[in-house]
Amino acid sequence: QVQLVQSGAEVKKPGASVKVSCEVSGYTFSAYVVHWVRRAPGLGLEWMGWIIAYNDKTNYAQSLQGRVTMTMPRDTSTRTAYMELRSLRSDDTALYYCASTSSSRAADLSFWGQGTLVIVSA
Amino acid sequence: QSVLTQPPSASGTPGQTVTISCSGGSSNIGSNFVYWYQQLPGTAPKLLIYRNNQRPSGVPDRFSGSKSGTSGSLAISGLRSEDEADYFCAAWDDSLSGHVVFGGGTKVTVL
Repeated sequence: QVQLVQSGAEVKKPGASVKVSCEVSGYTFSAYVVHWVRRAPGLGLEWMGWIIAYNDKTNYAQSLQGRVTMTMPRDTSTRTAYMELRSLRSDDTALYYCASTSSSRAADLSFWGQGTLVIVSA
Repeated sequence: QSVLTQPPSASGTPGQTVTISCSGGSSNIGSNFVYWYQQLPGTAPKLLIYRNNQRPSGVPDRFSGSKSGTSGSLAISGLRSEDEADYFCAAWDDSLSGHVVFGGGTKVTVL
């Protein structure tokens, strides 16, 4: 059974960086994609990008280019995806989710993490 | 401003049918599958409909999806109080280097 478990809540000051983790288990092979999606208070879902587990290829939302980096190191016994967002602003305050799927060119986010709250406040 | 357009709210009484529309364009819904997600208060989104009209295991058949041209729709029949949630449509968009686009979400209220 596929499971995604995310790291805990973070409080950051404007201008700082945050790195959220997402431990993925249950896949037999690395033929899957990890997406990152966020939901700001009162707003809808926003796709941030994805990383392909077997070759580390990434694809970022144009609105976040230059501020976001997604990684998935292979030198650990567990596969953990990371999403780092830099130069934080107040409007980056949101619940951040990781989600996995087998396709890199579809919107079928089959499995979701529980979410990580990131608050950006002076 | 979301790429896919949904009504912000919909409502119905228990037992009624509620339909939510999702309007897109040629680069997203027009050439790719539509997906629907349900987000209950305080929980992560859940895949409700995939590939326009398919239900994952465990999703009641009260939920159905369809697609025509550049629009998709989600119908909830036999509305129940536990269906009160936010619903989002999504699709792959072929523009730029390709990306996922979401609708702005529809809040369904059970009266």
